[in-house]
Amino acid sequence: QKEVEQNSGPLSVPEGAIASLNCTYSDRGSQSFFWYRQYSGKSPELIMFIYSNGDKEDGRFTAQLNKASQYVSLLIRDSQPSDSATYLCAPGVNTGFQKLVFGTGTRLLVSP
Amino acid sequence: DAGVIQSPRHEVTEMGQEVTLRCKPISGHNSLFWYRQTMMRGLELLIYFNNNVPIDDSGMPEDRFSAKMPNASFSTLKIQPSEPRDSAVYFCASSLSQGSNQPQHFGDGTRLSIL
Repeated sequence: QKEVEQNSGPLSVPEGAIASLNCTYSDRGSQSFFWYRQYSGKSPELIMFIYSNGDKEDGRFTAQLNKASQYVSLLIRDSQPSDSATYLCAPGVNTGFQKLVFGTGTRLLVSP
Repeated sequence: DAGVIQSPRHEVTEMGQEVTLRCKPISGHNSLFWYRQTMMRGLELLIYFNNNVPIDDSGMPEDRFSAKMPNASFSTLKIQPSEPRDSAVYFCASSLSQGSNQPQHFGDGTRLSIL
């Protein structure tokens, strides 16, 4: 089993729709969870992080965390073509010092 | 504020040559990470440092790879000798190490092509 699993996609949604990106992780010790966005040819860019069960909202983005199910998701409301990118899920693994374990990412395509 | 700075942005060289990638972390950050990204394997952690000390180098693929952090503002990743399979984008990232909720901030990466 991979440490972090994401559907590679592409996930295609029309402009204005809600995009739902999902991630499961294997390390029950993970306490914090990060979502990064990566445009083609660019570096990963932090969008949000969450460390408590439940929802966390930031503008059009909502992160959801369920530690019992080892599941974290990212919702993007009112999707825009500029949201088209690869979204990387990264649970934090604390081995004395924190490191992130990245999933392979879900490619999102938002069509006008 | 300046972000993580990497150089060079692009490197093309022939197999067998030595390659040195450089990274300047964000000022005040005390953790530094080197990643490699390929289509096949995604983003892989190679090594990370805390307060200039290597903490975990288990991701370094072979002895051909080495990394140093001589001071808080500079790190290098060296490949010697380079091979075509080393072709990838190499990212450096930095963060604060206190607490478990510190995000990592990435540089623009070095796109390495070994011919």
